Amino acid sequence: KQEVTQIPAALSVPEGENLVLNCSFTDSAIYNLQWFRQDPGKGLTSLLLIQSSQREQTSGRLNASLDKSSGRSTLYIAASQPGDSATYLCAVMPFKAAGNKLTFGGGTRVLVKP
Amino acid sequence: GAGVSQSPRYKVAKRGQDVALRCDPISGHVSLFWYQQALGQGPEFLTYFQNEAQLDKSGLPSDRFFAERPEGSVSTLKIQRTQQEDSAVYLCASSLVVGGLAKETQYFGPGTRLLVL
Repeated sequence: KQEVTQIPAALSVPEGENLVLNCSFTDSAIYNLQWFRQDPGKGLTSLLLIQSSQREQTSGRLNASLDKSSGRSTLYIAASQPGDSATYLCAVMPFKAAGNKLTFGGGTRVLVKP
Repeated sequence: GAGVSQSPRYKVAKRGQDVALRCDPISGHVSLFWYQQALGQGPEFLTYFQNEAQLDKSGLPSDRFFAERPEGSVSTLKIQRTQQEDSAVYLCASSLVVGGLAKETQYFGPGTRLLVL
């Protein structure tokens, strides 16, 4: 059974500092990995999706890497801003054709202090 | 529509009551998912539909939970005889199907926050 772990559970940094969020998964047979952002009382917003054949994806200040063999992904957020405060979730999609449910980590709650 | 919508946004129920949660997926999205998110945790899969067919219900925690999507668009998640442990946010997501596989980006609704007293 796939298990996804995110460390740390919470993170507080001063504005301008780079953020590094970690995600690990136990079964490397994944189709893709996604990073989501969740604001309080809101749904999930997809930030980046990395296919299993890719090593990284970039969007603006966000960069996500994937090392499938070691079961790890890292989300980097450069020059953090108070508006980046949110919970960040990673989720994996299984490789099997019949499976399409996302397995989520517990999330990292980020606070960027002005 | 512009995005996935869910109603009600908040629901308070007395223990033992039945509740029904509605999800309107993005127009044209064949796949629809329900997830349950307990406080401080990541979402957990409940069930999956492709059109009106419920292809996976392995995540439903008990037979008190029932989901349907009779016309392949709107879906309803019903919880019978609610218990306090059912208190959570219920998220709905939809996605396209490409090549017969629903592995594209899932778009999430705002969720329904259920509190069972």
